[in-house]
Parts: sequence; C-alpha cells; structure tokens
Amino acid sequence: EVQLVESGGGLAQPGGSLRLSCAASGFTFSSYEMNWVRQTPGKGLEWVSYMSGSGNTIYYADSVKGRFTISRDNAKNSLYLQMNSLRAEDTAIYYCVREGIAATDTSFDFWGQGTLVTVSS
Amino acid sequence: SYELTQPPSVSVSPGQTASITCSGDKLGDKYASWYRQKPGQSPVLVIYEDTKRPSGIPERFSGSNSGNTATLTISATQPMDEGDYYCQAWDSSAVVFGGGTKLTVL
Repeated sequence: EVQLVESGGGLAQPGGSLRLSCAASGFTFSSYEMNWVRQTPGKGLEWVSYMSGSGNTIYYADSVKGRFTISRDNAKNSLYLQMNSLRAEDTAIYYCVREGIAATDTSFDFWGQGTLVTVSS
Repeated sequence: SYELTQPPSVSVSPGQTASITCSGDKLGDKYASWYRQKPGQSPVLVIYEDTKRPSGIPERFSGSNSGNTATLTISATQPMDEGDYYCQAWDSSAVVFGGGTKLTVL
C-alpha cells in the first residue's frame, strides 16, 4: 500500500524556519519524481516545489524561491522541505505528492494527508 | 506566468451530466490532469494525460483537452461526486493549478 506521511508542521514566527519531512512507503521511492503542494485552509491548491527521482533536477514556485529548499534521501525513502524566512502567507497545509511514473505522466497520482504550517507571532 | 481558469461553481441534478472547464493559453498542447477534493481530505486524481482514468475511478468520469480548454465530464452524476475539482498542468518548469470548481449535486 502506497503511503506518504508528512511531519514537521507547526507554529513558526515570521522570519523563522521549519523543516517538513515526508516518509514514503509501498513503492520504489527513488523511481518517482516528488513534489510539495500547499493549500491555505478554505482556498485552492498551490504548487511549491519539484524534485526528480535522482535529485538532480529541482524547481520552485516563484513565491518560495530563495527561501525554501527541497531535498530527498532515497536510502531513507524520505522527502524534505526546508522552509526559511517564513511569512504569514506561507500558512497552509503542505502536502507531499508523488508524480506519475510514466515519462509522459505529469499528474500527481498520490497525495499525503498533509501537515499544517502556521506562521504567526 | 501561466494561468488556468475554472468556473467557481457548477450545479447538477443527480443522474445528469456535469461539465467543468479549465481554460489556459494553448492548454491543448499540454497534458491536463484533474483532481477531486472532499472536505477535510487530500485531493484525489480522477483524470490524467487529458483522458485517462486511474484505477478505481468510475467510467462516468471522462476528460478532453483541445485548443485552450480542457473539460472534465461526469456522466450520471451521483451525490458522492460532490466536491472541489481542480485542473492542473505543467508549464515550462512549473506546475499550475486552476482555482477550483465546487461541484454541487442537488
């Protein structure tokens, strides 16, 4: 059974940092591209960052570029998101998301349950 | 930056067909995916690569994508199909989501 379990969310002060983790199981983690997607409660979905299976290719949304860093440890089947210089507008549920394995498949075929990040003083 | 536009809401009677559109510049040149999200739950993929259904998604869900518009069609809509629907596509090196459409079955 595929599982993506996020952790590390919580309350942070503006300008502060948090590190999110995503533990993957039930599939060959290193073969899959992974993403972080966030959702402000009651609002829509916003893509945050992408990392290829090897870790060689990384993309960020403009809204987090220079502040957030995505990484992965394929030996530990884990994906991470280091969030620095946090702002109130970063408050959201953060989802760890698996991308479809086919070369042409650009969809997000499995989502974790999400972890809530609240940025407030 | 690239944008995907969806209607905020769509209403349909049970058993009827619901269509949700997603518009973006030359969207037909990209693959569109669709997700359903119910309150308090994570999104679920319902259509990928414009027209394909993941395993477990009923046949009444179908998709198309041409020109500037992708469309999610739900035939014989059931109350369980209610939720927020989002379209998604890649543009260059970024993922874009539509703003979401709330589907009401009444």
